[in-house]
Amino acid sequence: DIQMTQSPSSLSASVGDRVTITCRASQSISIYLNWYQQKPGKAPKLLIYAASSLQSGVPSRFSGSGSGTDFTLTISSLQPDDFANYFCQQSSSSPRTFGQGTEVEIK
Amino acid sequence: QVQLVQSGAEVKKPGASVRVSCKASGYMFTDYYLHWVRQAPGQGREWMGMINPSGGSTRFAQKFQGRVTMARDTSTSTVYMDLSSLKSEDTAVYYCARGGLASLGSPFDSWGQGTLVTVSS
Repeated sequence: DIQMTQSPSSLSASVGDRVTITCRASQSISIYLNWYQQKPGKAPKLLIYAASSLQSGVPSRFSGSGSGTDFTLTISSLQPDDFANYFCQQSSSSPRTFGQGTEVEIK
Repeated sequence: QVQLVQSGAEVKKPGASVRVSCKASGYMFTDYYLHWVRQAPGQGREWMGMINPSGGSTRFAQKFQGRVTMARDTSTSTVYMDLSSLKSEDTAVYYCARGGLASLGSPFDSWGQGTLVTVSS
C-alpha cells in the first residue's frame, strides 16, 4: 500500500496568513493526489484534484502543486471559513490511501 | 446537483452485522464508481472498497476482505455496504463517496453525510 505522510498535524494561523500543508507519498503517484477539507460533523469537500486542478466552486485562494512523491496545498490568505481539517488522498492505485490530516486552528 | 444520502445511525452488538445504504441522485447512477470510506474516533480515514454500479463488480481493501460486501440496486440508485462480525474497533463514521468513470485516477467529488455505526455490548 502507498503510505501518505502529511505535515504538520496541526497549525495555528491568523486570518490573512499564508498557509502551506505538505503531503508525501511513499512511492511515485504521478499527479494522482487530491486535497479535501472537512469541518466537524460535515462530509469532506473536494478542493484540489490531480495535484493542482481547482475543483469547481472552490475559491482561488486554494492551490495545489507537486508531482511524484511531494505535494503541497497552499491557502494564500486564510479566511474565517477556512478553519477546518485538511487531508490528502492518493488515487494512483488501490487501495486508496489518505494522509492523517492537518487541523488548521485560529491563532 | 449530485447528492448522496445515507441511512441513519446504527448501534450494534459485537458479532452482529450492519447495512449502510447510500442513495444517489442528480447524475447517471451507473456512470460513476461509488466508494466507502470510514473514520474511527481519533483515527485516520480508511478506504474500504468500491462498487461499479453499472455491472456490480466490487473491489475491497485487504483489511476488510471476507467481512464486507457491497451491492447496488439500479432501480433506486442505491448502493449498500454490509459489514459483518462487528468488533468495537468498527465503531466509526462510514461515508459513501462518488469516484470517477474509471476505477482509478479520479478523486471523490461528492460524499454522503456519513453514518455513525457504534459497536457496543
